[in-house]
Amino acid sequence: AQTVTQSQPEMSVQEAETVTLSCTYDTSESNYYLFWYKQPPSRQMILVIRQEAYKQQNATENRFSVNFQKAAKSFSLKISDSQLGDTAMYFCAFMNRDDKIIFGKGTRLHILP
Amino acid sequence: KAGVTQTPRYLIKTRGQQVTLSCSPISGHRSVSWYQQTPGQGLQFLFEYFSETQRNKGNFPGRFSGRQFSNSRSEMNVSTLELGDSALYLCASSLGAALSYEQYFGPGTRLTVT
Repeated sequence: AQTVTQSQPEMSVQEAETVTLSCTYDTSESNYYLFWYKQPPSRQMILVIRQEAYKQQNATENRFSVNFQKAAKSFSLKISDSQLGDTAMYFCAFMNRDDKIIFGKGTRLHILP
Repeated sequence: KAGVTQTPRYLIKTRGQQVTLSCSPISGHRSVSWYQQTPGQGLQFLFEYFSETQRNKGNFPGRFSGRQFSNSRSEMNVSTLELGDSALYLCASSLGAALSYEQYFGPGTRLTVT
């Protein structure tokens, strides 16, 4: 069965610092999608970044980038120049070819002023 | 463009009762997915509807059901409620049928079962 593991339940960093959130997954499939979602306190969840497994190039969205290591089954999220508005719960998610999506338990990120 | 709306936002029910939650997708979106979020189990996929048809389902008992109407609005029903059904229920809409399309989430319905 596919699993998604986020090993850091909670993290705190100072504003303007760079932070990396870890995510590992387990699958025997070769083609799949990976996502990072952000759920701010009392606000709606939004998609941060998406990566297709067959694409070698790491996805980036402004200050957010991923380090996708397919062989290691690792999909970490890097947030550069962190801002107070980045404070949120971050979920890593895996979607297989059957369109079944599995989420990690989440990492609660605090950006400190 | 209005976002995804969910009603009601909060709900308190008693064990054994049933409940219906509603989700209105973004205009033009034809896919609606439902998720359950609990502190213990985290976020879990319930099901996805596209053009009034359930095209995907997670590992939940048959007490959890849903439907989608011709205007893409969706409802989720939970029968014979259990304490463990207390959760935040999220719905998300997207343009296409596959979950790989960007999903837009609603604010959720907080269900408490007593």
